[in-house]
Amino acid sequence: LAKTTQPISMDSYEGQEVNITCSHNNIATNDYITWYQQFPSQGPRFIIQGYKTKVTNEVASLFIPADRKSSTLSLPRVSLSDTAVYYCLVGGYNTNAGKSTFGDGTTLTVKP
Amino acid sequence: GAGVSQSPRYKVAKRGQDVALRCDPISGHVSLFWYQQALGQGPEFLTYFQNEAQLDKSGLPSDRFFAERPEGSVSTLKIQRTQQEDSAVYLCASSLGLATQDTQYFGPGTRLTVL
Repeated sequence: LAKTTQPISMDSYEGQEVNITCSHNNIATNDYITWYQQFPSQGPRFIIQGYKTKVTNEVASLFIPADRKSSTLSLPRVSLSDTAVYYCLVGGYNTNAGKSTFGDGTTLTVKP
Repeated sequence: GAGVSQSPRYKVAKRGQDVALRCDPISGHVSLFWYQQALGQGPEFLTYFQNEAQLDKSGLPSDRFFAERPEGSVSTLKIQRTQQEDSAVYLCASSLGLATQDTQYFGPGTRLTVL
């Protein structure tokens, strides 16, 4: 399976940069890495997707090293509203390495 | 524009009852997914449709679970003879194309509680 490993939880303060790292040692050649954000009582929401090196959009950056066995989601200057669960997803649901799963995610708590 | 909608948002069932959960995907989206999310855990894949074809149902936990998408748009997840272990949030997601790594757009989920 395309298993992923993330820290269970992280704390930060408003205005800080937050980096959440996901390990995916058995990533397949065709797999992309996608991050989702989930608030309580809502479905996950797409944040960013990448294949290698660095991707940046208006809300986050995604850093992927050359071996692609890990990735880091970077949230610049977090606010209280960034408190949520963040999931790293490798491949599609039927990635070559097996069915992709969301794992248990990282609960980010932003404090004032 | 309208996103993915699900109904009902909350459902309480007595053990042994049948339930039906509805998903209205984004118009024109080809792919549709159902997930089950237990409290404190990430979504777990249940089944996948491409238009009206159910291409993968390997994640359905038992033969009490059945999903359909007869006209390639609205989908229904049916659970027969509900059990307490079926209590969870059921999420529906749709994506525009056929690529399995396309961005998935999720609905708010249906929280099912089986008493």
